[in-house]
Formats: sequence, C-alpha cells, structure tokens
Amino acid sequence: DIQMTQSPASLSVSVGETVTITCRASENIYSNLAWYQQKQGKSPQLLVYAATNLADGVPSRFSGSGSGTQYSLKINSLQSEDFGSYYCQHFWGTPYTFGGGTKLEIK
Amino acid sequence: QVQLKESGPGLVAPSQSLSITCTVSGFSLTSYGVSWVRQPPGKGLEWLGVIWGDGSTNYHSALISRLSISKDNSKSQVFLKLNSLQTDDTATYYCAKEDGYRYGYAMDYWGQGTSVTVSS
Repeated sequence: DIQMTQSPASLSVSVGETVTITCRASENIYSNLAWYQQKQGKSPQLLVYAATNLADGVPSRFSGSGSGTQYSLKINSLQSEDFGSYYCQHFWGTPYTFGGGTKLEIK
Repeated sequence: QVQLKESGPGLVAPSQSLSITCTVSGFSLTSYGVSWVRQPPGKGLEWLGVIWGDGSTNYHSALISRLSISKDNSKSQVFLKLNSLQTDDTATYYCAKEDGYRYGYAMDYWGQGTSVTVSS
C-alpha cells in the first residue's frame, strides 16, 4: 500500500499569511493526488484534483503543485474561512490512502 | 442536485456487524463510483473501499476480510457492511461520490456522515 506522509500536523497562522502544506508519497503517484478541506463537524470538500487543478468554485488563493512523490498545497492570503483541517489523498491504485491531515488554526 | 445521505444504527455492540445505507440522488450509480470513508473521533480520514459503476469493488487491504460494499442501482442505494466490530471501529462513516470523468477519481460530493459507536 502507498503511504502518504503529510506535514506539518498543525499550523498556527494569522489571517493574511501564506501557508504551504506538503504531502509525500511512499512511491511515485504520477500526480494522482487530491486535496480536501474539512471544517469542524462538517464533511470534507474537494479543493484540488490531479495535483494542480482547482475544483469548481475553489478560490484562486489555493494552488496545488508537485510531481512524483512530493506535493504541496499553498494558500495565499489566508482568510478566516480557510481555517480547518486539510488532507491529501492519492489515487494511484487502491487503497486510496489519505495523509494524516494538517490542522490550520488561528494565531 | 447531487446529494448523498448515510443512515446507520448509531450504536453497535462489539463483535456484531455494522450496516450503513447511503442513499443518493442527482446522479446514476451506474455511471459513478461511491467510496466509503471513516473518521474516528478527533482523528484523520481513512478510505475504506469503493463500488464502481459496473458493480466491481475495491477494499482497503486491512479490512478486506470484514468489509463488504454492495448497491441497488434501481433504489439509488449503496450499502456498507462491516463485520466483527471492535471499539476502534467507532467513527463517523461517510459515503462520497467519485468523479473519474472530471476529477481523476477524487470525491466531489460527500454525505453528511453517520456516527457509529461500538460499545456494549
């Protein structure tokens, strides 16, 4: 099974700052990666698919990058509604493993 | 519009089986796959398995001996059955629609989740 290592596990940031979350796969996943946002008590929501493409309705301050085994989610100029948890997930063969998650908190 | 809604028992005794139904609307189960994902309290997401439009399934290797996913296309329902429950199966269980056409199998719609507690 492919393992997804996500970092950092938590991050305390202020509104307006820029953050980067990373995900490392245990083998090449050929950009078959998605990012999700989950707010407290809510279901996850798709942000990025195929490593670099924004899902419908996702603000342009979000961006995904990476290839091979290393991927990143960048959020420019954090807004209050961006706080919550973020997860990566690969789709290069089942099981479609998630990363451990990153909790983004307000400083 | 696309909707998914899980319905489950809430409380299950250890060693018993869990059955959850995901009722969908706004899309056809013959065209899209539906995955099951769970989240223990305060922890991260765990992918459990998927049933594809053609009815084939894939399961998490750690659960393959206990997990079964099936569906009834005519009723727009997907079923999860997990056997021999233990306390670490306590979690919120989600069903989610995958979109291989647009999103490379990423899950673009999720149900609200159903909370399951394993306890005697």
